[in-house]
Amino acid sequence: NAGVTQTPKFQVLKTGQSMTLQCAQDMNHEYMSWYRQDPGMGLRLIHYSVGAGITDQGEVPNGYNVSRSTTEDFPLRLLSAAPSQTSVYFCASSYSRGLGGVPTEAFFGQGTRLTVV
Amino acid sequence: GENVEQHPSTLSVQEGDSAVIKCTYSDSASNYFPWYKQELGKRPQLIIDIRSNVGEKKDQRIAVTLNKTAKHFSLHITETQPEDSAVYFCAASGGGTSYGKLTFGQGTILTVHP
Repeated sequence: NAGVTQTPKFQVLKTGQSMTLQCAQDMNHEYMSWYRQDPGMGLRLIHYSVGAGITDQGEVPNGYNVSRSTTEDFPLRLLSAAPSQTSVYFCASSYSRGLGGVPTEAFFGQGTRLTVV
Repeated sequence: GENVEQHPSTLSVQEGDSAVIKCTYSDSASNYFPWYKQELGKRPQLIIDIRSNVGEKKDQRIAVTLNKTAKHFSLHITETQPEDSAVYFCAASGGGTSYGKLTFGQGTILTVHP
């Protein structure tokens, strides 16, 4: 198993450009999430999905779109990049276990370091 | 929504000492509390987790305690080693529509001096 794979690892964008960060997992996990990590602020949830076709906003969704057409893939789209979106982005996947669906360990991708100039 | 506060933001200890990091959460429906370790330039990795039906869990030098009434949980590392130096994050996750949705604390930079 490759686990959670993110591409690209590094990206520089100009203000106003758009791009898609890719995330794929091969563990058949139903939950997938995107976080951004900024110094001193921990990881903040951007968007998440509880299954194919179902997405919801997290804490900082503005300027980002997601879709989940398959269980494996959860791309994050930056619509019009801004310097405030300079950050490290992590994708994560997890599953729930047993009756009542207790959450389990979230597995993270290796991260994408994005710089918007 | 859930809010997780983590303290201290930095922690410096001598090798062999113990280290304690504390977190509080706001949503009484949260039922899963993982701790992640992140080394410089790497992805966060789970080191221990606890569910709301358990008060304490240990794994060798690492332990986590949970007080549901007070809505706080703590990470305890004993006999610290230089390789324990990293950023540690606590997180909380609830049930219902919050499955798989983690709210993280701000992180603690732990430095273990040889």
